[in-house]
Amino acid sequence: QSALTQPRSVSGSPGQSVTISCTGTSNDVGNYNYVSWYQQHPDKTPKVIIYDVNKRPSGVPGRFSGSKSGNTASLTISGLQGDDEADYYCCSYAGSSTPVVFGGGTKLTVL
Amino acid sequence: EVHLVQSGGEVKKPGESLKISCQGSGYRFTTDWIGWVRQRPGQGLEWVAVIYPGDSDTRYSPSFQGRVTISADKSINTAFLQWSSLQASDTAIYFCVLGRAAGLFDPWGQGTLVTVS
Repeated sequence: QSALTQPRSVSGSPGQSVTISCTGTSNDVGNYNYVSWYQQHPDKTPKVIIYDVNKRPSGVPGRFSGSKSGNTASLTISGLQGDDEADYYCCSYAGSSTPVVFGGGTKLTVL
Repeated sequence: EVHLVQSGGEVKKPGESLKISCQGSGYRFTTDWIGWVRQRPGQGLEWVAVIYPGDSDTRYSPSFQGRVTISADKSINTAFLQWSSLQASDTAIYFCVLGRAAGLFDPWGQGTLVTVS
């Protein structure tokens, strides 16, 4: 079971949109619609911002959206704000035996 | 409101044993998976293990199988993660997480810093 692949870093200016990819395999991302995304600010606890590929928990702004195509899931943040600067991790269900796999994380810098 | 409250930070020597805890409240403890996620200093999130307290069914990441043991005590709504022989590489923050659905962990505990030195 290998970690999902994410870019190490992405950046964007306030107001712009950025997309973070998360590539897995047909054993995880490609086989289940159970991809979630977590936001972690420095020295803080991770917080779920997307689950089931494209659902947002209550309280998460609509600027955050998720999608999936084949073995790759994506998180798009539109209308970038300074507080969006954080680390983002994807996570996928991977079957009943070893059900969880995380991505390596992406550092988002708001320029 | 659902809460996960973890035990405090620990400083241990290599070879020592350790058991950290996570007490859940605000939900039915026996009907949701609960687990642990590791974050080494400056590194990403790694799933460790989960347990279903209702019947003690467990799942481990292959990277942690045999190195740690997850358990739960239904009588006190508490999950545990234990090591029999710590290594310096176990130094990390360990987050307790509630598995609400496949691939969905929410909420997270405040984290327990384990330092092995």
